[in-house]
Amino acid sequence: AQSVSQHNHHVILSEAASLELGCNYSYGGTVNLFWYVQYPGQHLQLLLKYFSGDPLVKGIKGFEAEFIKSKFSFNLRKPSVQWSDTAEYFCAVRDSGSARQLTFGSGTQLTVLP
Amino acid sequence: EAGVTQFPSHSVIEKGQTVTLRCDPISGHDNLYWYRRVMGKEIKFLLHFVKESKQDESGMPNNRFLAERTGGTYSTLKVQPAELEDSGVYFCASSPDQYYGYTFGSGTRLTVV
Repeated sequence: AQSVSQHNHHVILSEAASLELGCNYSYGGTVNLFWYVQYPGQHLQLLLKYFSGDPLVKGIKGFEAEFIKSKFSFNLRKPSVQWSDTAEYFCAVRDSGSARQLTFGSGTQLTVLP
Repeated sequence: EAGVTQFPSHSVIEKGQTVTLRCDPISGHDNLYWYRRVMGKEIKFLLHFVKESKQDESGMPNNRFLAERTGGTYSTLKVQPAELEDSGVYFCASSPDQYYGYTFGSGTRLTVV
């Protein structure tokens, strides 16, 4: 069975600080990886996804993530956060090449102080 | 294109009552998923429809939960009778195929008192 670990439950940063949110998964096969964000009062939105190819994936709003297969990791990064990045961030994994369900991590609440 | 629509957005019911949640996926999306997030924990999978067929319902917690997708369009999730531990946010998502991501609805917050 798949599992996803997000090590940081709550992260507090000041504006312009750099961000890195950890995500590790456990699964023996080939995976697709996702980061979703939920802004206050809004629905889950896709930030970026990795299916294959270049392990450094660029997403919306200046976010990027790097897939490191040997470490089973897919950490999310942003060089300079803004107050508007305050949200909850979810890492998720699914079997590659299938339309099966996502397995989510427990989420990381990011608070950016102005 | 229109997104995934869920309603109601909020529902407060008493223990023992019945509640039906509805999800309208993006038109043409054969895959429809239900997820639930309870008490700030991780978002957990409930079930997956492909068109009108249940592809995987391994996440359904018990037989008080019944999901349908008649005609392969919208889906309903009925909880009968509701218990306190059913409180949480119920998300629906849809996807056209395995080469695509998932589009989520805004969720239904269910509170059982």
